[in-house]
Amino acid sequence: DAGVTQSPTHLIKTRGQHVTLRCSPISGHKSVSWYQQVLGQGPQFIFQYYEKEERGRGNFPDRFSARQFPNYSSELNVNALLLGDSALYLCASSLGGRDGYTFGSGTRLTVV
Amino acid sequence: AQSVAQPEDQVNVAEGNPLTVKCTYSVSGNPYLFWYVQYPNRGLQFLLKYITGDNLVKGSYGFEAEFNKSQTSFHLKKPSALVSDSALYFCAVRDLGGTALIFGKGTTLSVSS
Repeated sequence: DAGVTQSPTHLIKTRGQHVTLRCSPISGHKSVSWYQQVLGQGPQFIFQYYEKEERGRGNFPDRFSARQFPNYSSELNVNALLLGDSALYLCASSLGGRDGYTFGSGTRLTVV
Repeated sequence: AQSVAQPEDQVNVAEGNPLTVKCTYSVSGNPYLFWYVQYPNRGLQFLLKYITGDNLVKGSYGFEAEFNKSQTSFHLKKPSALVSDSALYFCAVRDLGGTALIFGKGTTLSVSS
């Protein structure tokens, strides 16, 4: 059974550009969360979606947005990229409730 | 506010010796606690979780963690360390709303042969 799949694995963008990151959860998982991990720090929560509805939002600017599709896959969009947006972006899926969270391998975003 | 603290940036142990990676938490109510491991340029791998029940939780790869409510700690342990255990370890607690994991800053474990 496939785990959480993220694409692309690496990405280089220029300041001011827009980026879309994609995530496919484990089959049967209806919850998808996004985290940002800056080098040397722990992951920071960005969004959680469950059944296509936003259930939680972290302390990130409005330049960050996300959505979840009917097949439970998800996209994270970041507009007007800043150098400080360079990070590893992690997606996690879960059954919900007391279930744990399974993380993908992440997308490494570099903003130049 | 809920938080997690990992007081050690790095832990060094010799192969075959027991290891402990420390974690303390601050939450309102009953905590849902997790340990994850991260290898270089990779995502997070789940090791174990505490939701309720026995204070000693057994997880993947021979790791276990002891939940101590009075000391608000959830230390990760392994009886005999392997060189392949060298990695970055994160402790996390689920927030009150149940939507987010709050992570510590991570502890680098280095196991020498």
